[in-house]
Amino acid sequence: GAGVSQTPSNKVTEKGKYVELRCDPISGHTALYWYRQSLGQGPEFLIYFQGTGAADDSGLPNDRFFAVRPEGSVSTLKIQRTERGDSAVYLCASSLTSDTGELFFGEGSRLTVL
Amino acid sequence: AQSVTQPDIHITVSEGASLELRCNYSYGATPYLFWYVQSPGQGLQLLLKYFSGDTLVQGIKGFEAEFKRSQSSFNLRKPSVHWSDAAEYFCAVGPRGSNYKLTFGKGTLLTVNP
Repeated sequence: GAGVSQTPSNKVTEKGKYVELRCDPISGHTALYWYRQSLGQGPEFLIYFQGTGAADDSGLPNDRFFAVRPEGSVSTLKIQRTERGDSAVYLCASSLTSDTGELFFGEGSRLTVL
Repeated sequence: AQSVTQPDIHITVSEGASLELRCNYSYGATPYLFWYVQSPGQGLQLLLKYFSGDTLVQGIKGFEAEFKRSQSSFNLRKPSVHWSDAAEYFCAVGPRGSNYKLTFGKGTLLTVNP
């Protein structure tokens, strides 16, 4: 596709449930990132993939959060035992390399935990 | 720890007026500096970035920003605002060597009056 695609655009779930959010990056972009944007805040870094491997997962808040990118393209962010504090917009971005500083963001997946 | 402060939560300007959005950062060394724009229904888009060299940086859509080391500032400017510039603007810093790991400010919402 022309841009970064994220699905679903909206997800409402109940506390304690498991959630998966999907990101399809721009074709040819080897670097992929997940950020989280809470209400009234700027985006916060979660994790960076170079190819299939997580090169930096220092932003993941706890072990309930996990992300994979098995074939070096599509990535899935997985959240176990969701909590109300996980409610946010989860942004995915991609770039050709990790050193340009130009990240191409998707529109995000809005997660609401009731 | 690095941080970014955008002092103005919301700014309203008239179409055709000049614009300056403020950004101050706290960082141990000179970081990489960025301005991103988030329009409704669209992902974050890079307006401009500063890595080194000329402290006045030109970006897309007629925007420019000036890096002032002594003030730890990176303010965004535009001489004449268009109605289509209405959006939320985020200043961000990234550490040299891993500038994918951006720290964003809370954003400034720009409203443009006709």
